[in-house]
Amino acid sequence: QSALTQPPSASGSPGQSVTISCTGTSSDVGSYKYVSWYQQLPGKAPKLMIYDVTKRPSGVPDRFSGSKSGNTASLTVSGLQAEDEADYYCSSYAGSNNLVFGGGTRLTVL
Amino acid sequence: EVRLLESGGGLVQPGGSLRLSCAASGFTFSNYAMSWVRLTPGKGLEWVSSITDGGGSTFYADSVRGRFTISRDNSKNTVFLQMSSLRAEDTAVYYCAKRDLVSSIWYYFDHWGQGNLVTVSS
Repeated sequence: QSALTQPPSASGSPGQSVTISCTGTSSDVGSYKYVSWYQQLPGKAPKLMIYDVTKRPSGVPDRFSGSKSGNTASLTVSGLQAEDEADYYCSSYAGSNNLVFGGGTRLTVL
Repeated sequence: EVRLLESGGGLVQPGGSLRLSCAASGFTFSNYAMSWVRLTPGKGLEWVSSITDGGGSTFYADSVRGRFTISRDNSKNTVFLQMSSLRAEDTAVYYCAKRDLVSSIWYYFDHWGQGNLVTVSS
């Protein structure tokens, strides 16, 4: 169970778009549609933002979108807003009832 | 409203044991798989363990298998995490979490507790 690989940081100006990558292997991201993304604000519990690679739970703005190509999943935040500044984690099912997370990306809104 | 309230964390010496509890309310507890996820400063989020709705199946991360045991009491709407042979690297904020849907796909977490800090240090 190796962690998925995310860039430690990402940034963008208000109104811009930013994409965060999440690289796994053919045993996790590459094999399953069960990829999700979580937003964590300081001192708060994580919040589910994307599941099944591309789906948004009710209440999540459509500025947040997910995609996957091969062993790499991506989260795109369009029209960046100050309140989007947070840590973002990807997660993927890895088979045999195992779940793996990425190391997290700190998104800064400049 | 779904509520998950963890308790039982604290300071413990390496090699020691601790039991976390998560009291649930606002939903039919016995219909849902439950999970524990931890947040460490160095590694970020890490899935720890999950248990199916009836408690018949349990799943563990390699890092805790053989040391941690997840269980549940559906009559008390509570899930537990018994932690033993604790190591410094187990230091983390432990969250209990669940999916919004009744499903065998337990890999998503729509609802989280507030988190409970476990510190393993001498």
